[in-house]
Amino acid sequence: GENVEQHPSTLSVQEGDSAVIKCTYSDSASNYFPWYKQELGKRPQLIIDIRSNVGEKKDQRIAVTLNKTAKHFSLHITETQPEDSAVYFCAAAYGNNRLAFGKGNQVVVIP
Amino acid sequence: GAVVSQHPSWVICKSGTSVKIECRSLDFQATTMFWYRQFPKQSLMLMATSNEGSKATYEQGVEKDKFLINHASLTLSTLTVTSAHPEDSSFYICSASWAGQETQYFGPGTRLLVL
Repeated sequence: GENVEQHPSTLSVQEGDSAVIKCTYSDSASNYFPWYKQELGKRPQLIIDIRSNVGEKKDQRIAVTLNKTAKHFSLHITETQPEDSAVYFCAAAYGNNRLAFGKGNQVVVIP
Repeated sequence: GAVVSQHPSWVICKSGTSVKIECRSLDFQATTMFWYRQFPKQSLMLMATSNEGSKATYEQGVEKDKFLINHASLTLSTLTVTSAHPEDSSFYICSASWAGQETQYFGPGTRLLVL
């Protein structure tokens, strides 16, 4: 199966600074990598995803980069705001569109 | 679009009883639904994959006789926790996708507390 590692486990940033979360995966056949944001007690919400045919994707303040050779991908949040505080999960798709999730990263934006 | 609902949102039950959780796709036909379990401050752990009209595929270590999954229509999947015990207390979340789609859309989750 797929194994996804995510680090750091917690990240504190000052409001307005950038936050970067990195993930690695093990299955070279994986070709779809979504990122989810989960607020306490709520459902995971898809914030951005990337497929293996591109190296970078951007949506306003959020961007994701993918390095297939090194099997790692990263989430970049610029100009962080207090509402960005949440747990972020990376995931990689494998066999029959299943998702393997990383352990999550608690992001705290300090006003 | 791509809205998934779950019912109930929370349930408290006595040890030994069975609990049924419903997952519905409201505005699309979900050919595949997934069931996850999430313990506090932990990640989402896939329990099983269910395809409409087929038997569910369970992940290693998940007891299929304890966690009964039914996906009888393109908009509804149910998870029944049979003979629930305190260690089954968790946050159960479903997700759904449609044919050829890798993206999974998540329901709001069901918090189960077994006393």
